[in-house]
Amino acid sequence: GIQVEQSPPDLILQEGANSTLRCNFSDSVNNLQWFHQNPWGQLINLFYIPSGTKQNGRLSATTVATERYSLLYISSSQTTDSGVYFCAVPTGGGNKLTFGTGTQLKVEL
Amino acid sequence: GAVVSQHPSRVICKSGTSVKIECRSLDFQATTMFWYRQFPKQSLMLMATSNEGSKATYEQGVEKDKFLINHASLTLSTLTVTSAHPEDSSFYICSARALLSTEAFFGQGTRLTVV
Repeated sequence: GIQVEQSPPDLILQEGANSTLRCNFSDSVNNLQWFHQNPWGQLINLFYIPSGTKQNGRLSATTVATERYSLLYISSSQTTDSGVYFCAVPTGGGNKLTFGTGTQLKVEL
Repeated sequence: GAVVSQHPSRVICKSGTSVKIECRSLDFQATTMFWYRQFPKQSLMLMATSNEGSKATYEQGVEKDKFLINHASLTLSTLTVTSAHPEDSSFYICSARALLSTEAFFGQGTRLTVV
């Protein structure tokens, strides 16, 4: 099946810093989602981004489907950005998601 | 975005008992819902696909007799962990898609502890 790898696995930032998270996938996909899992376990939808670039406040994402990767940019990070960031791509006919390995982010004061 | 509600958020049960977890799509209809399991410090792993009005489809290695799934309506799917054991302790989370949509939304998750 498709492999989805994320990097870095762990990241510690000072508040106000910027960061880039990467998601590589091993096969062609027709869409990709980014999620933030907060410390209580809730998965928050960040982006639904099959291709191109989208921005939402301090966050933006770019997917280059032909090169099988996506990037999530976090600018001016805040402590509330802490948590785990997952990317996920559809498999099995497009109905179910395969999740990446995740990036654990901690933003410190 | 669409809202998916999962209940309970946390449950502690005794070994050998059964636990039912509900997943509801509050503002849309979902013919298909998905159940995932997440162990500490790990990613989400799909357990099964819940299909409204028909049998669930289980991923390889997931015991269908242990994890009973019922999808009786377009807005409700339930996962019952039968004869729970400590190794079933985990975080269970459901997701749903609206009809004709490919974007998935997730419930709040259920943290199950079997003692």
